[in-house]
Amino acid sequence: DGGITQSPKYLFRKEGQNVTLSCEQNLNHDAMYWYRQDPGQGLRLIYYSQIVNDFQKGDIAEGYSVSREKKESFPLTVTSAQKNPTAFYLCATDARGNGYTFGSGTRLTVV
Amino acid sequence: AQSVTQLDSQVPVFEEAPVELRCNYSSSVSVYLFWYVQYPNQGLQLLLKYLSGSTLVKGINGFEAEFNKSQTSFHLRKPSVHISDTAEYFCAVSLDDKIIFGKGTRLHILP
Repeated sequence: DGGITQSPKYLFRKEGQNVTLSCEQNLNHDAMYWYRQDPGQGLRLIYYSQIVNDFQKGDIAEGYSVSREKKESFPLTVTSAQKNPTAFYLCATDARGNGYTFGSGTRLTVV
Repeated sequence: AQSVTQLDSQVPVFEEAPVELRCNYSSSVSVYLFWYVQYPNQGLQLLLKYLSGSTLVKGINGFEAEFNKSQTSFHLRKPSVHISDTAEYFCAVSLDDKIIFGKGTRLHILP
């Protein structure tokens, strides 16, 4: 079955650490997105990529970085510059007008 | 700027009663509209979408929504809810290469 795999499901980060969240898809979709979800805030766009080797900042890109070396993969790194990283992170792909397909998410907690 | 407003953050409703979740958007151009559902600790799942054509859109799990261009609304309805409908529901609008989400409405089903 085609889909999106996010890993890990739960992730714990110490203060000052960088962590990388994985997002892999086998849907052959060109566009991929990273959202952050906080209670009562809805989904806020962090970064998105329309094609390989290209990506754009979303509304809350500060403290995050991404890469898009392969069509199937769009990893998100949460850097130590992100002061409040505890949140639920969602990866999505775009089926060109059919709406996004979402992964099952990664819950990141700072300890 | 385009935005999506979900007028209720929480909606309690008795089991087997009808429900309406309200959504208004602001846009000066034609848009695509979506409703997503999110169960606890999961990603978002597409319920239904409006791209063009008939203003009444039917989705999964017995939900439907009506696009009203004059009122810039896209309210979600279900004639009889079940306990399994307990979830958070997000209205979304697309423009260009991004989708903007509302802040969500949490549906509580009362026994």
